[in-house]
Amino acid sequence: AQSVSQHNHHVILSEAASLELGCNYSYGGTVNLFWYVQYPGQHLQLLLKYFSGDPLVKGIKGFEAEFIKSKFSFNLRKPSVQWSDTAEYFCAVSRRTGFQKLVFGTGTRLLVSP
Amino acid sequence: EAGVTQFPSHSVIEKGQTVTLRCDPISGHDNLYWYRRVMGKEIKFLLHFVKESKQDESGMPNNRFLAERTGGTYSTLKVQPAELEDSGVYFCASSRGGGNSYNEQFFGPGTRLTVL
Repeated sequence: AQSVSQHNHHVILSEAASLELGCNYSYGGTVNLFWYVQYPGQHLQLLLKYFSGDPLVKGIKGFEAEFIKSKFSFNLRKPSVQWSDTAEYFCAVSRRTGFQKLVFGTGTRLLVSP
Repeated sequence: EAGVTQFPSHSVIEKGQTVTLRCDPISGHDNLYWYRRVMGKEIKFLLHFVKESKQDESGMPNNRFLAERTGGTYSTLKVQPAELEDSGVYFCASSRGGGNSYNEQFFGPGTRLTVL
């Protein structure tokens, strides 16, 4: 069965600090990888996704993630966070073909202090 | 275009009662998904409709949960009778249909269900 592990449940950073959120997945096949974000009071929205090709993907708001196949990892990074990045971040995986339900990690709550 | 909407936003019921949650997907989206997040845990898949057909209901916890999507438009998720462990946030998502390529899932705001 697929599973996703997010290592950090709560992260507190000051503005301008660099961010890296860990994500590892377990699945015996080809997958699509995602990071979703939920800002306070808002819907879950897609931050970035990886299907194939360049393992370094760039998303909205300056976020990027790197797929490392040998490590089954898809870590999220941002060089300099802003107060507005305060949110909950979810790593997710789906099968490349067939039923494409998302399997999520437990989420990481990020608090950025001004 | 309007996003995915869910009703109600909150529901508080007593154990043993029935609750029906509704999801209106983005117009034209054939795929509709239900997910649930129990407090402190991951968001878990419940089931997937393509139009009015259930494609994958492997995540439905038990037969107290019944999902429908009559006419392939909106969907309802009924819990009868509700138990304490059913409390959580129920999310609906929709995506365009077709092929094996991934179509982005757009999420609704969720319905927070509390069973007392």
